[in-house]
Amino acid sequence: DAGVIQSPRHEVTEMGQEVTLRCKPISGHDYLFWYRQTMMRGLELLIYFNNNVPIDDSGMPEDRFSAKMPNASFSTLKIQPSEPRDSAVYFCASSSSRKYEQYFGPGTRLTVT
Amino acid sequence: GENVEQHPSTLSVQEGDSAVIKCTYSDSASNYFPWYKQELGKRPQLIIDIRSNVGEKKDQRIAVTLNKTAKHFSLHITETQPEDSAVYFCAASIRTGGSYIPTFGRGTSLIVHP
Repeated sequence: DAGVIQSPRHEVTEMGQEVTLRCKPISGHDYLFWYRQTMMRGLELLIYFNNNVPIDDSGMPEDRFSAKMPNASFSTLKIQPSEPRDSAVYFCASSSSRKYEQYFGPGTRLTVT
Repeated sequence: GENVEQHPSTLSVQEGDSAVIKCTYSDSASNYFPWYKQELGKRPQLIIDIRSNVGEKKDQRIAVTLNKTAKHFSLHITETQPEDSAVYFCAASIRTGGSYIPTFGRGTSLIVHP
């Protein structure tokens, strides 16, 4: 199994630009989670999906953030417009309802200048 | 919502010593407690977990204890090695639907000196 796949691994963009982060969960997993990690705030849950349906987006910081999961093998997290304070590492994780463990992807390091 | 406090934020030990990291949580509905290890520049990876119906679990050099009454749980690493150096995160998870939704502690940076 390839594990959770994220792209790009690094993204540098200018303030005001749109940023799209991508995630492919482990095949067969029915839960997908998006996290943001910063030194100041630690590891924060932004949103999670079950069977492609968003269940809880209360962690999404602002309307500038949106997430979609059009099918069981693909999800996107979009920031529009991006701001310097969005600079962080964004992790995608997936899990199965038959097990407890979440498997994290390698993360996308986002830098907004 | 759930609130998880983790201490210490940094822990420095000599190789061979033991290390203990402690976490407290606020929501008595939490019933699954995983611990993750994150090496520099890498993803968090599960190293051990415990469910609320168990008081202690051990896997080789690592062990986790849980006190549900006091709402705290701890990670114990014995005979530490330099490769144990990493950031360790605890989490308290509440079962929602078919999954456990974690709230993470702020992490402990463990440094093992050779």
